[in-house]
Amino acid sequence: DAKTTQPNSMESNEEEPVHLPCNHSTISGTDYIHWYRQLPSQGPEYVIHGLTSNVNNRMASLAIAEDRKSSTLILHRATLRDAAVYYCILIFASGGSYIPTFGRGTSLIVHP
Amino acid sequence: DTAVSQTPKYLVTQMGNDKSIKCEQNLGHDTMYWYKQDSKKFLKIMFSYNNKELIINETVPNRFSPKSPDKAHLNLHINSLELGDSAVYFCASSGSTEAFFGQGTRLTVV
Repeated sequence: DAKTTQPNSMESNEEEPVHLPCNHSTISGTDYIHWYRQLPSQGPEYVIHGLTSNVNNRMASLAIAEDRKSSTLILHRATLRDAAVYYCILIFASGGSYIPTFGRGTSLIVHP
Repeated sequence: DTAVSQTPKYLVTQMGNDKSIKCEQNLGHDTMYWYKQDSKKFLKIMFSYNNKELIINETVPNRFSPKSPDKAHLNLHINSLELGDSAVYFCASSGSTEAFFGQGTRLTVV
């Protein structure tokens, strides 16, 4: 899987939007962009994924740059429960197994 | 129902002992994994099984042996435990677009 680069940490205030960036300049045409998060003392959980178009779900939005070399996870209104480590992962889209390989991620701190 | 469940949640044991961690998924997935998260919080894949067959075996001491009796289970056996094995171990399973993780087993070797 191609590498991704994320800031080590970010801070936000509760009820404000949060934009978590991810750079993936070596992404290939068949790599999907996935985001996971890990809340304290829990296993990672899937957040969202996309290929080329922006994506929305109940948890977040994913904005993908036109050249696909970067993406941004958007939390529209941060809550204290959103404090977690967020991982941006590239996964090769093939008929084979789906295998998330985690980097260091971004630790999101949410202030009340 | 919990999608991926692993037991025990906590495991404290002495050096040299042999222990097992069990994992079960009720999602009907073909692929299951074991990850290790060390004290620095780095999450590293150890093994991946697809349809009961090993497909990934990262650089892990051979004291660690996964066992998949059926598609829904992937257990982790660890022989001759060492202090450095202390970590949180996560089991996971996946379909084609998403992985589901268990709550983790915190292993402490004393």
